[in-house]
Amino acid sequence: DSGVTQTPKHLITATGQRVTLRCSPRSGDLSVYWYQQSLDQGLQFLIQYYNGEERAKGNILERFSAQQFPDLHSELNLSSLELGDSALYFCASSVHQGNTEAFFGQGTRLTVV
Amino acid sequence: AQSVTQLDSQVPVFEEAPVELRCNYSSSVSVYLFWYVQYPNQGLQLLLKYLSGSTLVKGINGFEAEFNKSQTSFHLRKPSVHISDTAEYFCAMDNTDKLIFGTGTRLQVFP
Repeated sequence: DSGVTQTPKHLITATGQRVTLRCSPRSGDLSVYWYQQSLDQGLQFLIQYYNGEERAKGNILERFSAQQFPDLHSELNLSSLELGDSALYFCASSVHQGNTEAFFGQGTRLTVV
Repeated sequence: AQSVTQLDSQVPVFEEAPVELRCNYSSSVSVYLFWYVQYPNQGLQLLLKYLSGSTLVKGINGFEAEFNKSQTSFHLRKPSVHISDTAEYFCAMDNTDKLIFGTGTRLQVFP
């Protein structure tokens, strides 16, 4: 158990819908990262937050957004869902802004039908 | 641009045999390198990391990796694999604000 909790574990939704994925980082970790894992794109970095502020953006679509709350949990919002958004979404956390000790959650598997 | 290349998409091996999973990286600056393992329906677990110092890095579950700056490689090795090592292995590089992952190597251990 990495200490990073992601909910829900599985999500099935229809095209055009909006979903919210939740991540609780390890106790004491200030950084949260979101990654998308798909068969065609592999593991891709989406976005990073540090202590509530956005610090880095990767290949995140405009239909996607995220935030980190004062209690340091984070949510990833995916809207106007398309079939191609089906993937495993991982959250990772670390104490600092760097990745030298990032711990991953078990992921949320999103299926868009 | 920085990138990570895992040269083998699949590596089949018999139990108790040695294994090497290859990883090459491309970067113009000093790097931090990692190997992660993903078991079926699980998240990513850190196996080992190279930050600085000794080029031979030991990790969990008997794995080790060697950082070779001249060959820009960070190959993962295990002298004797178990059935339970069957999983997907990812090499990754720290790019300050994110990890850049390779495409993964599927290690399949047969009895």
